[in-house]
Amino acid sequence: EAGVAQSPRYKIIEKRQSVAFWCNPISGHATLYWYQQILGQGPKLLIQFQNNGVVDDSQLPKDRFSAERLKGVDSTLKIQPAKLEDSAVYLCASSSRLAESYEQYFGPGTRLTVT
Amino acid sequence: AQKVTQAQTEISVVEKEDVTLDCVYETRDTTYYLFWYKQPPSGELVFLIRRNSFDEQNEISGRYSWNFQKSTSSFNFTITASQVVDSAVYFCALDNYGQNFVFGPGTRLSVLP
Repeated sequence: EAGVAQSPRYKIIEKRQSVAFWCNPISGHATLYWYQQILGQGPKLLIQFQNNGVVDDSQLPKDRFSAERLKGVDSTLKIQPAKLEDSAVYLCASSSRLAESYEQYFGPGTRLTVT
Repeated sequence: AQKVTQAQTEISVVEKEDVTLDCVYETRDTTYYLFWYKQPPSGELVFLIRRNSFDEQNEISGRYSWNFQKSTSSFNFTITASQVVDSAVYFCALDNYGQNFVFGPGTRLSVLP
C-alpha cells in the first residue's frame, strides 16, 4: 500500500512570495490533515478535511493560508504572502474513518524556509 | 481547550536501560483518544498506539508498554531495554473522536551505545 505522498520535499522562498504544497493521501482515506511543525515543537493542526468538506480550520491563519481538497482526494495548501515565521515543516496525514479516530498516517513533509 | 504536556524535553539513557516518557493531558470531554507517535531523525511520524478513554488497561507490545491512568490524566510510555534505534522524538497526542487533534511538545530520547 502506497503511503501519503507530499511534494515538494524542500522549498526556499523569500518573504512576501507565494508557495503551494501538494498532498496525495493513502487511497481510500476520507480524512486528510495538514499540520505545521516548527522546529523543536509538536505538530499543530492547520486544517482537517472529511472528503472534500472542512471539518476543522480553527487554527488556519486564513488571511494568508488557504487549502482545498477538490474531488475529495489530493489536497493543496497555499501560503500567500509568506512570512519569516512560516518557516516550518508542513505535514500531511490521512486516516480512514473520522468517527472511529483511526490512526493517522503521515507523509514525509515539506520543509519550507522563508528568507 | 485541550492540552497535552510532556514535561521532559530531552532524555538520555545508555543502551539496555529502561526509560519512561511522561504525558499529562487536559480535556473537558469524557470520551477521547490518546496516542503516541515516534518521529525518528528521518522526520516521518510513525504511529505507535491509540487508547480509548474507556479502556484503562495497560498495554504491552514487545519492549514498549503504556500506562493509562485516568485519575491523574496521564498516559506514560515505557521502553524496556532501550536500543540505539529507539532514539527519536516521541509525541503524545489527544483527540475527541476525530476532532481537535492536539500534539504535545515532544520528548527527545537519545539512547547511547
